[in-house]
Amino acid sequence: AQTVTQSQPEMSVQEAETVTLSCTYDTSENNYYLFWYKQPPSRQMILVIRQEAYKQQNATENRFSVNFQKAAKSFSLKISDSQLGDTAMYFCASPDAGGTSYGKLTFGQGTILTVHP
Amino acid sequence: EPEVTQTPSHQVTQMGQEVILRCVPISNHLYFYWYRQILGQKVEFLVSFYNNEISEKSEIFDDQFSVERPDGSNFTLKIRSTKLEDSAMYFCASSPQKLGNSPLHFGNGTRLTVT
Repeated sequence: AQTVTQSQPEMSVQEAETVTLSCTYDTSENNYYLFWYKQPPSRQMILVIRQEAYKQQNATENRFSVNFQKAAKSFSLKISDSQLGDTAMYFCASPDAGGTSYGKLTFGQGTILTVHP
Repeated sequence: EPEVTQTPSHQVTQMGQEVILRCVPISNHLYFYWYRQILGQKVEFLVSFYNNEISEKSEIFDDQFSVERPDGSNFTLKIRSTKLEDSAMYFCASSPQKLGNSPLHFGNGTRLTVT
């Protein structure tokens, strides 16, 4: 079964500083995407960033970037210049798209990030 | 930007009652999903739907659950006889392609409370 592990249940950071959220995953796929979703208190699921596994270059989206280590199956999220609005639960997700599956996302347990003023 | 819309945003029902959660996926998407999140826990896959049939379902998706795409735009999740443990946030999602090649677009969720 697909597993996604986020080892940090909670993190905190001062406004304007940088924080890194870790994630490891397990997949038998060779070509896949990985995702980070943000869930603010409103409980919406908002896509933050995605990484294509066949691309060596780490994905970047404004203040958000990833450190993707394919061999280690590690996919961490770096948030630079943290803002109060970044306070949320962050989920790492990996698709289980093997065989006849049309794909389902397996989510990690989530990391609660609190940005302090 | 097109969105996945879900109604209602909050549904309260009594144990044993049937509920139908409604979703309108993004119009050119072909793959549809339901996920749920019990408060404080991670998001869990329930079911995927493609070409007018269920393509995959999880252990959670037992005989009490069913999905339907009755009219080519709506995508519904029915729970026949709700239990207290069905209380959760239910997310509908859609994707234009098989998930490995594109992200899921989530709706804002329906909070189901079973009393």
